[in-house]
Parts: sequence; C-alpha cells; structure tokens
Amino acid sequence: DGGITQSPKYLFRKEGQNVTLSCEQNLNHDAMYWYRQDPGQGLRLIYYSQIVNDFQKGDIAEGYSVSREKKESFPLTVTSAQKNPTAFYLCASSIFLGSSYEQYFGPGTRLTVT
Amino acid sequence: AQSVTQLDSQVPVFEEAPVELRCNYSSSVSVYLFWYVQYPNQGLQLLLKYLSGSTLVKGINGFEAEFNKSQTSFHLRKPSVHISDTAEYFCAVSVGQGAQKLVFGQGTRLTINP
Repeated sequence: DGGITQSPKYLFRKEGQNVTLSCEQNLNHDAMYWYRQDPGQGLRLIYYSQIVNDFQKGDIAEGYSVSREKKESFPLTVTSAQKNPTAFYLCASSIFLGSSYEQYFGPGTRLTVT
Repeated sequence: AQSVTQLDSQVPVFEEAPVELRCNYSSSVSVYLFWYVQYPNQGLQLLLKYLSGSTLVKGINGFEAEFNKSQTSFHLRKPSVHISDTAEYFCAVSVGQGAQKLVFGQGTRLTINP
C-alpha cells in the first residue's frame, strides 16, 4: 500500500538531547513537509522540500534541521536549541494537481521532552 | 500574508443534527481551499477541496462546503452527523509560489453527543 510512515509513534527524550524523527513515503511525491501541532494552534510549518537536496524554512524553523538525500525520505532533527520541543509532529508529502498541490499526511510522532 | 480563521474552537452537536463549521480566510489573490479531518492521535485526512468551478464542493463522509468569495468564507456542513464524526477539523488555504504550502486554521473540535 502506498503511504507515509512516521516512526516511532511515541518518542521520549531528556532535555538537551538531539532527536531525529523519521518520515518515509512511497507515493513518489516530489514535495515533503514537516509540521508541528500544538493544542489550539493548528499546524505550523517547520520545513519543506520540493526536490532532493533542497529544502526551505517554514514559519518556525528555529531549533530544527532537516535533510533530503533521497526522494522518499525527509528526516527531521529536533535539536537542543528548540526551546519547547514537546509536541505532535506531522510529516506530509504532496502531488501537483495542475493548479495546486494536494498534501497527504503521515500518522504523526508524539515527542515528549522532560 | 494569507491567514485562516476558524471561528469556533469547539462545537458540540447531538447525533443526527446538522452542523456547520465556519472558516474565513484572508487573501488578495485566487485561493485554493481545503478541509481536513483528524481523529485522535492520527494524521490528517483530506475531506474536500475547492480549486475552481462550482462553489459547492462535496467531499467524503457526507460533508460539503461552500466557497463564498465575497465573504471570503469556506464553511463546512453536514446535514446529519454521526458519533463517528467526532474529530478535529482543519480549514487550510494554499499559499506560495505554485501554491505548494498550506496555512492552517486553529482547528474546530466537533463533539457528537448521543
């Protein structure tokens, strides 16, 4: 089945540690995205990538880093510089429909940092 | 900058009653609009989208939405809800060159009571 996988579903880390969240897609989509979701704030864009080896900052990129070495993979690293990393993280990929992109989402990773 | 406002953070409704979830957007250019649904601890699933053409858009699970350019609104409706519709609903507008990014509203939590 085609889709987006994120692992693990739950992740726990101590403050001061970097942590990498995995995102893999087998939809052959060119573009991929990372969002952060906090209660009552909707989804906020962290980074996005339109092609391999290229990515752009979103609205809240500080404290995060990404790489796009393969079309199907877009891992997100939450660094120790991120002041409030506990959140639900969603990965997405998109396909161009001729006038707009349609985004498909993974199941998410809930990160808790204590 | 484009933005999306979902006017109600929570909407409680009795089963089999109609429901309307409100969404307003700000944009000075043509827009593409989306409604997504999120069940607890899951990713987002596309309900419906407006790209062009008919202003009344039908989606999955019996939902529909109406694009109103003069009122800059894209309200989501369902004539008769079920317990299984309990979820959080997000309105989004596409932005950026080629409309490859989404800006999300804050979300509306729909609770269906028996």
